[in-house]
Amino acid sequence: AQRVTQPEKLLSVFKGAPVELKCNYSYSGSPELFWYVQYSRQRLQLLLRHISRESIKGFTADLNKGETSFHLKKPFAQEEDSAMYYCALSGRMVGSGGSNYKLTFGKGTLLTVNP
Amino acid sequence: EAQVTQNPRYLITVTGKKLTVTCSQNMNHEYMSWYRQDPGLGLRQIYYSMNVEVTDKGDVPEGYKVSRKEKRNFPLILESPSPNQTSLYFCASSLLGFTYEQYFGPGTRLTVT
Repeated sequence: AQRVTQPEKLLSVFKGAPVELKCNYSYSGSPELFWYVQYSRQRLQLLLRHISRESIKGFTADLNKGETSFHLKKPFAQEEDSAMYYCALSGRMVGSGGSNYKLTFGKGTLLTVNP
Repeated sequence: EAQVTQNPRYLITVTGKKLTVTCSQNMNHEYMSWYRQDPGLGLRQIYYSMNVEVTDKGDVPEGYKVSRKEKRNFPLILESPSPNQTSLYFCASSLLGFTYEQYFGPGTRLTVT
């Protein structure tokens, strides 16, 4: 089974402070990992994916296979970063009925950046 | 504008009254899927479809049905809704699969009394 754990439901930091949103996963194969973000009153949207190794809005995330983690980091948080963040894993499950592809989300971390 | 649309956006209904939530995308995406979002539980996949006439169960399919007769549409059907299906529902589409970016709809807030 594949699983995504985001240990912090809530995270509050001050503007300009570094922020790290934690994500740990459980998956037997090679994972495809993503961070999605949901700003207030907006749709869920992709923030970044590990395969592209890019920085979006100052955020980066490194896949650490040894620690099975994909933490999201930003060196200087901004107020506009306040949002709900979801870590997600795409994986293939093989069972008696054949292959089943899944996208599993963590429970989310609500980030608040205070002025 | 490339987008995923859902209707209705808000729905209050009673137990047992069949309902359908529509989802449509105009990006010619192969994959479409449905999720429900509940406080403390995050997003959970209900059903997904890899192409026309190809659908499969996600993590929480009980009580739901889907169909994919056309590429652009992927309706979610609740044959006999129950209060535990009160939730926020999201439809999403992606070009070829879950390793590609998911484009989400605006959500449908369903209340079953």
